[in-house]
Parts: sequence; structure tokens; C-alpha cells
Amino acid sequence: DAKTTQPNSMESNEEEPVHLPCNHSTISGTDYIHWYRQLPSQGPEYVIHGLTSNVNNRMASLAIAEDRKSSTLILHRATLRDAAVYYCIQGSGAGSYQLTFGKGTKLSVIP
Amino acid sequence: ETGVTQTPRHLVMGMTNKKSLKCEQHLGHNAMYWYKQSAKKPLELMFVYSLEERVENNSVPSRFSPECPNSSHLFLHLHTLQPEDSALYLCASSQDGPSTNEKLFFGSGTQLSVL
Repeated sequence: DAKTTQPNSMESNEEEPVHLPCNHSTISGTDYIHWYRQLPSQGPEYVIHGLTSNVNNRMASLAIAEDRKSSTLILHRATLRDAAVYYCIQGSGAGSYQLTFGKGTKLSVIP
Repeated sequence: ETGVTQTPRHLVMGMTNKKSLKCEQHLGHNAMYWYKQSAKKPLELMFVYSLEERVENNSVPSRFSPECPNSSHLFLHLHTLQPEDSALYLCASSQDGPSTNEKLFFGSGTQLSVL
């Protein structure tokens, strides 16, 4: 079973920031937090991942709580192409391939 | 374009047929994966190969048989499937493993319908 909890759906207006929350209360010290997104009719696409510090890349920012039990994916300016299902995944520790996907958050972007 | 190519994109087969799904990665990665995505269910990891050796097999029925002839190619051989096996089958690769610090690169999937 997925170890993370996300809202089923969220809406955002185009060109506004979006904050997608994720809870991962059972996370251990070596578990990374990954975010992927899946557009319709495509495979999942890597967005960002991190361990303790906040992370930024060209797609998004990842804000990780100090206790690491939650994180937030930040899209700085939502576009219509950002409409997708966003998955927050807690890696299950070194030595395992188990990135367990949950149901994710379906993000709708309103023009 | 993710560098991971899956063929065919769509496949319809009867329960008595034998078919194969193909995945090829052009990224020089050492690990490859098969995932299954059923309608309204999360992605399920089926098989993992690292340097052409199978390292994970998540209780998948024997009617699914993976093959990894080299680090760039991965196959999923299908035989005597059931209608409930209809799903999107996704292939992914990563640079190294095992590690959950790895980024996965997914193909677009094969949409399988079993009649």
C-alpha cells in the first residue's frame, strides 16, 4: 500500500501558483520523497525529489517539512499543460526498488 | 520523448493468444521495470531487472513472463490472459539501482485489452 496521503483532486486558475500537499508520516531517515505526474494517455513523468532540504528545478519546487512528515509540491505558475495526476511517493529505503504509487491528486487548471 | 519506447501502443488479444510487449530504452540505463496500471487503481510494480538480472518479482501470475536479453531491451510475454488483465502496461528505466534515490523514466505504455 502507498505510504503517502494526498487529496484526491485540486483546482487552480491558470497562471497562479499551486501548492500540492502530501503527508508521509511513516517516513524514515533514508526515504526520499518523489513527485511524478501523469498526463492523459502518457506514462508518469518525473517532477522532483528530495530528502531533507527544499529542492528547486525548472519544473517545480519541493518544500519538505522540518520533521519530514509532510511535503508540498509547488508549481509557481500553473498552465493548462500542468493538468495531470500528481503522485507523491515515499521511497521505501535503500536496497529496494519499491516506489509505491498511490492514487495521486488530480489537478485541474481553469483558464 | 523520454528515451523509453514501448510497442505496440495498443493491443487487443483473446484469452488463448500469446503476445509480447516490447520496451527499449536509449538512455544507457542499467535497470528496467514493468508496471501495471488498471483503471482507477494505482500503478503496481510487476518486475524489476538490474544489469539483466531479475531482482524483484511482486507475486505476478505466471501468465506474465518477463525477459531482459540486454540492458536496453525488456519484454513482457503474455499467454492465456484473463479479461481482468486488461490494463495499461508501463515500462520504465533508471540509471542505477537498487536505490530509491533513482529517477524513473517511463514509456507511454501499451494499452492492453483482453477479450
